Amino acid sequence: QQQVKQSPQSLIVQKGGISIINCAYENTAFDYFPWYQQFPGKGPALLIAIRPDVSEKKEGRFTISFNKSAKQFSLHIMDSQPGDSATYFCAASKGSGGYQKVTFGIGTKLQVIP
Amino acid sequence: DSGVTQTPKHLITATGQRVTLRCSPRSGDLSVYWYQQSLDQGLQFLIQYYNGEERAKGNILERFSAQQFPDLHSELNLSSLELGDSALYFCASSPRPDITYEQYFGPGTRLTVT
Repeated sequence: QQQVKQSPQSLIVQKGGISIINCAYENTAFDYFPWYQQFPGKGPALLIAIRPDVSEKKEGRFTISFNKSAKQFSLHIMDSQPGDSATYFCAASKGSGGYQKVTFGIGTKLQVIP
Repeated sequence: DSGVTQTPKHLITATGQRVTLRCSPRSGDLSVYWYQQSLDQGLQFLIQYYNGEERAKGNILERFSAQQFPDLHSELNLSSLELGDSALYFCASSPRPDITYEQYFGPGTRLTVT
């Protein structure tokens, strides 16, 4: 049961281009939506996160757009650089009795070519 | 460096065997999470501990078990290993159980079952 659907699974972007990764969720109880970045041989690292009452959050070249009515959110990487080449995971967090569980998407492998 | 340490880095063992993976959380973090990452399944949540107590269970097999010790380090025990258990196993920690979207991942243990 995949509660967070992520696409595409792989993405190739030219340097300087915009990388866009999309995610959709089903459970409206999710109350926080983080994105994680994972480089080869490393563990995932929190990149940016958004709450459902915010439609957009920007940190540097990374922007999350959130559409609560459509239950979709996306990550935009502006001016993509070869150093951005990594696997990106969207996730959704749900509070349950004071303890939250995080459900991850399948991941998107991004390759930025010079 | 996230501050989370995992040992060993690599582990090769045979089917039917038992292994123990070890994790030390960031200083001060009371919550520990275990994840399994395989190519076709993405990042799967296994189990969460908070201050020594089990708090949440995910898709953890009965052959797998975990515990968190008084010094907050955690161990994941995998027994009766099968070829399909070959994967990367990540440990993550967070300071509070109610902010689980902000997790700090270790470098992982790559388990190969032959």
